[in-house]
Amino acid sequence: SQQGEEDPQALSIQEGENATMNCSYKTSINNLQWYRQNSGRGLVHLILIRSNEREKHSGRLRVTLDTSKKSSSLLITASRAADTASYFCATPQRYNTDKLIFGTGTRLQVFP
Amino acid sequence: DGGITQSPKYLFRKEGQNVTLSCEQNLNHDAMYWYRQDPGQGLRLIYYSQIVNDFQKGDIAEGYSVSREKKESFPLTVTSAQKNPTAFYLCASSMGNEQYFGPGTRLTVT
Repeated sequence: SQQGEEDPQALSIQEGENATMNCSYKTSINNLQWYRQNSGRGLVHLILIRSNEREKHSGRLRVTLDTSKKSSSLLITASRAADTASYFCATPQRYNTDKLIFGTGTRLQVFP
Repeated sequence: DGGITQSPKYLFRKEGQNVTLSCEQNLNHDAMYWYRQDPGQGLRLIYYSQIVNDFQKGDIAEGYSVSREKKESFPLTVTSAQKNPTAFYLCASSMGNEQYFGPGTRLTVT
């Protein structure tokens, strides 16, 4: 069963706009991670936020975590065509934190 | 140049044949993972290994087998028992929370 579910499934924006993706999960976690996947490629780790953190920044990325609502959001500011990719959230499995459970992903298309 | 490699990038097989996908890492990571990804879907865990000579089934292990004889290598065999083997296969390794992924192997079985 999948722990994380992203919303929306797909998102199309113009270059320069901001893109927001949301992730909901089911059980308590100690961290949540976001990954990016370009078409036909492997995943690349973007950012990890721990359960005691509410917000984290990395360059143009801003991640928030609301453990009371079991949700996280990924904001990409001033998007570029090169940001076109699928974005996945991942959470450790509750009783085996060596295993990550990935959501279904948000496909982001940024038009130049 | 450290990283994780998978070969081949594309693989074609006839139904009924076993096929082995290669995964090698030089990151000195203890844990390695195999995932399957179907079009428009997330990743599903097939097998994982936390240490040499030991591995555990993931969520969809049926029809697959693995070995972990060396720390650097974690090959995946897709057997003829796997009913729908056509998919994109991703290998990953980790030392801690973050996972590092290979470029993937796209397997097509006809």
